[in-house]
Amino acid sequence: AQKVTQAQTEISVVEKEDVTLDCVYETRDTTYYLFWYKQPPSGELVFLIRRNSFDEQNEISGRYSWNFQKSTSSFNFTITASQVVDSAVYFCALSEARTGNQFYFGTGTSLTVIP
Amino acid sequence: DAGVIQSPRHEVTEMGQEVTLRCKLISGHNSLFWYRQTMMRGLELLIYFNNNVPIDDSGMPEDRFSAKMPNASFSTLKIQPSEPRDSAVYFCASSLGSGGGHGELFFGEGSRLTVL
Repeated sequence: AQKVTQAQTEISVVEKEDVTLDCVYETRDTTYYLFWYKQPPSGELVFLIRRNSFDEQNEISGRYSWNFQKSTSSFNFTITASQVVDSAVYFCALSEARTGNQFYFGTGTSLTVIP
Repeated sequence: DAGVIQSPRHEVTEMGQEVTLRCKLISGHNSLFWYRQTMMRGLELLIYFNNNVPIDDSGMPEDRFSAKMPNASFSTLKIQPSEPRDSAVYFCASSLGSGGGHGELFFGEGSRLTVL
């Protein structure tokens, strides 16, 4: 079973629009960690954020915000006022305490921001 | 601080040849991961080490693949013999992830392998 589901394979938005990337996870652990990574066209994987399961406080970093909801097992990522430089593939990932340092990545959402 | 360093960045080889990919961890990190990325299969975990010990190698495709950590800061991924279906981008990542602290993964820039 897929532990991390990113149902949106590809999204296109026009510059300055807001966009939300969905991430749904599955775990039986009470202690776990969630992550988002960005992979721009250059190919490197860039860490964006890490949350632990005990901290449901939403986080904002500039134009980026994350909405963590344990009730729906979701950890969604919103980009406000999107820019062309936001065009990338975004990956959501889960790490569970009981499986050590195993990371489970979603299949990624390819975001294209059209100028 | 230097990040995760991978070499070579690009490798083109012929089927049947041995390929060795190298990775230098971030100083102080104790977990090392090898991932493979293809269009068809996305990001696949091949193997990961904690404190130089292989913890999970269930993602290693077959016996042609082997990975080692000869010391705490360096790892190799070897493919012998290589096949065209091994063509992919191979990422190495490290983290500080023991004792319940699941640190984020820091990825290298990847090694793009093409097997002809």
